[in-house]
Amino acid sequence: DAGVIQSPRHEVTEMGQEVTLRCKPISGHNSLFWYRQTMMRGLELLIYFNNNVPIDDSGMPEDRFSAKMPNASFSTLKIQPSEPRDSAVYFCASSSRDRGYGYTFGSGTRLTVV
Amino acid sequence: DAKTTQPNSMESNEEEPVHLPCNHSTISGTDYIHWYRQLPSQGPEYVIHGLTSNVNNRMASLAIAEDRKSSTLILHRATLRDAAVYYCILRWRDDKIIFGKGTRLHILP
Repeated sequence: DAGVIQSPRHEVTEMGQEVTLRCKPISGHNSLFWYRQTMMRGLELLIYFNNNVPIDDSGMPEDRFSAKMPNASFSTLKIQPSEPRDSAVYFCASSSRDRGYGYTFGSGTRLTVV
Repeated sequence: DAKTTQPNSMESNEEEPVHLPCNHSTISGTDYIHWYRQLPSQGPEYVIHGLTSNVNNRMASLAIAEDRKSSTLILHRATLRDAAVYYCILRWRDDKIIFGKGTRLHILP
């Protein structure tokens, strides 16, 4: 079990550029979550999917953010255009009913927008 | 959403037990009590969860008050690797998990 895999681990980009973060959930998990963590706001849930369908995107900050899950093994979080205030660590997590609903988190992507 | 209250930080000596408290006076009958921890520079990891009865696993024990308005995460023998932020979360069945500020646990060698 390779766990939840996120890429890239670090991303530095200029303001205004498009940024795409990637996540591969654990095989067999049917729920996927995107979180953002900053010192000021802590861990915030951005969006989550059940069986590849977005269920709740109320945490997505604004229209610049979008997330997709085209199949059970892949999800992306896109920011276009990026702004310095988007700098944060972005975590992806997955879970399965068979494991008592506990989440498994990836190692995160540290995004810096300059 | 039902809320939890945890101390901002705690200290404990290495190789001693640690009791991390959590108050949740507005808990509903169907809320599960979940604990996660986040080690430095890592994503959160699941520790334990329970509903009414005390629970034990290889990582920790969870003691739940009879009225369910509070709970305690117990690390039986703390090591330096247990230094982390510990989150107490109320969760209805398989609903989304909302993290609070948690308790930052410092382990003194």
